Amino acid sequence: QITLKESGPTLVKPTQTLTLTCTFSGFSLSTSGVGVGWIRQPPEKALEWLALIYWDDDKLYSPSLKSRLTITKDTSKNQVVLTMANMDPVDTATYYCAHRPNFWSGYYSYWGQGTLVTVSS
Amino acid sequence: EIVMTQSPATLSVSPGERATLSCRASQSVNSNLAWYQQKPGQAPRLFIYGASTRVTGVPARFSGSGSGTEFTLTISSLQSEDFAFYYCQQYNNWLATFGQGTKVEIK
Repeated sequence: QITLKESGPTLVKPTQTLTLTCTFSGFSLSTSGVGVGWIRQPPEKALEWLALIYWDDDKLYSPSLKSRLTITKDTSKNQVVLTMANMDPVDTATYYCAHRPNFWSGYYSYWGQGTLVTVSS
Repeated sequence: EIVMTQSPATLSVSPGERATLSCRASQSVNSNLAWYQQKPGQAPRLFIYGASTRVTGVPARFSGSGSGTEFTLTISSLQSEDFAFYYCQQYNNWLATFGQGTKVEIK
C-alpha cells in the first residue's frame, strides 16, 4: 500500500524560505522509473505542478518557479524535500506530494493528504 | 506550455442523469491524459489515465475518451458520491499541466 504525507510549517512570513518534507511508504525511490512530484492548489483554485524528482536524481521544475525551487531526495529515509525561496502571499496554497509510477507515465497515482501553507506577516 | 481548458466550469446534474465533461489541449497530447476527482478537503484521486483506462476500483459508470486535443469524461448515471471537482492533466510534455477543473453539482 502506497502512502505519502507532507509535513512542514503551516505559516511562513513573506520573503522566508519554505521547506516541505514528503515522507512515503509502499515504494522505493530507488526503483527505476519512479518519481515523486509536488503539486500545489491555492484556495478555491486549480492544481499547479511544481517539481519532480526521479529515481536517478534527475529533477524537473516548473519554468515559472524554477529560480525559487529546489527538490531533493533521501532514499534511505523515504523522503523528498521541496524548498521554495522568497515566499509571497500568492504562494498560499495546499501543497501535495504525489507518486509518479514510472518514467513513461506522467500521471500521479497516489497523493498525500496535502498541507496548507499560509504566507502572511 | 500546453494549456488545458475544461468546460463547463460548473455542471448541474440530477442524480441518475448523464454528465459529460470536456477537456481541450492547446496542442496534441496524444492519449497522455489523466482525469482526477477531488472532493472538498481531500486530495485529488486518479480516476483515468491514458485517456480511457480506469484505475482499479473506479466504477464502470466513469469512462474517458478522446485523443489529440479533445477529451471527454462521461459519467453515465450520476450517484451522490460523484458530485465533486474533476481535473484533467496532460503528461505528453515533461511540464505536466492541469485544467481549471469542472465542478459537478447537484441540480
